[in-house]
Order: sequence, then C-alpha cells, then structure tokens
Amino acid sequence: GAVVSQHPSWVICKSGTSVKIECRSLDFQATTMFWYRQFPKQSLMLMATSNEGSKATYEQGVEKDKFLINHASLTLSTLTVTSAHPEDSSFYICSARDERGGYEQYFGPGTRLTVT
Amino acid sequence: AQKVTQAQTEISVVEKEDVTLDCVYETRDTTYYLFWYKQPPSGELVFLIRRNSFDEQNEISGRYSWNFQKSTSSFNFTITASQVVDSAVYFCALSEPMEYGNKLVFGAGTILRVKS
Repeated sequence: GAVVSQHPSWVICKSGTSVKIECRSLDFQATTMFWYRQFPKQSLMLMATSNEGSKATYEQGVEKDKFLINHASLTLSTLTVTSAHPEDSSFYICSARDERGGYEQYFGPGTRLTVT
Repeated sequence: AQKVTQAQTEISVVEKEDVTLDCVYETRDTTYYLFWYKQPPSGELVFLIRRNSFDEQNEISGRYSWNFQKSTSSFNFTITASQVVDSAVYFCALSEPMEYGNKLVFGAGTILRVKS
C-alpha cells in the first residue's frame, strides 16, 4: 500500500513563532495533497487542498496567510503555521492522493502541535 | 452541500458483543464514494473500506461488515464479536466526485469502547 509520512510527529512551540510540518508521499507521486485539522474529541476538518506547482485552495474560514502551504514537488507538501497561538494547538493530518488507480487518499500519521 | 451524520457519539459494549455504527449521508451527486476509517488512540487513521455509489452490495471482511443502502442514504458498519482492540474512534466519510476535487467530508465520529 501507499505510504505517507509526516514530520515532525509532535512539536511544541512558543506563541508567536512559526512551525513547519512536512507531508511526504514515500512510494508514489501526488499532485494533490490535503491538510486536515482535528481538535480534541472532534472530527477532521479539511483546511486546504495542496496542488503541486500551483497555489493551494483553502476552505472557507481558513486564513491563508496564517497557514502557508507549499507543494514544491510531487512528493512533498509543507504546512507552515505562522505566528502560532495557543488556539492553533491541534492535530494536523495530511493525506496524499494516489492517482495511479482510483484516486485513493492515503493519510499520514499526523502531527500534534502544542503552542504554549 | 455534502454532509455525513454519525448520530452515535459513544457506544460501550462488552467483549464479544456485536455492535453497529450508524452513518447517514447527504449529497446531490450521483457519483460519490463512502468510507470508514478507524482512529485508535495513536491518532493515525486506518482505512477500513471504500464503497462507490454504484455498488450497493454488502461487504464482509472478517469480523467487519458494511451495509450500504442508497434508499435510506445509509452506510452502516457492524463489528461482530467485538474485541478490546476494536476500541477506537470510527469515522464515516463521503468523497466528492473527482471533478470536484475529491475532497473528503467526515462525520463527527463514534467512540467505541469495548470492555473486557
């Protein structure tokens, strides 16, 4: 099966700093990746669709200047949380779409962000 | 707009009991996909099944079975002879057709607790 990794798996940062999360498709190329956010005991909410070589598409209510997405290669998308605040503390999960077959999405293991 | 409803917030059963997790969806699309994912305490999403809208056959995989009924817009998941390792949050999800971006909409999730 297709494998997606995320790095780091967890990170603690101070309020006001920026944090970068990487999402990699390890054994397939993905022109499209997705970023989700999950608050404790809640469901996954799609934040944005990351498109290789073009701008990301953000869901309504997601601040594009705060959550910067870069999809510079066919195997890597990054999410940068800029000027992080405690309310940004959450579990961030990416998925990558495998276009070789049925456009299945494969999920990364997630990144737990804690902003102090 | 697409919507997925998992009315059961939390279910507790004793080991070896059968348990059914309900999922009701709304969509205007004639082509769509339905999914079930398991999220254990580690946080990583585990893919369980994908079903396309044209395939209403029920599916069985070991102790897991799924009942898809388009007439009632439901895609229920049954675990037979539950085990403690089945304890997790289970999400039902609906995917847009490819031409709309293939985005996933998740239900709120059902917490399943299996006691020994």
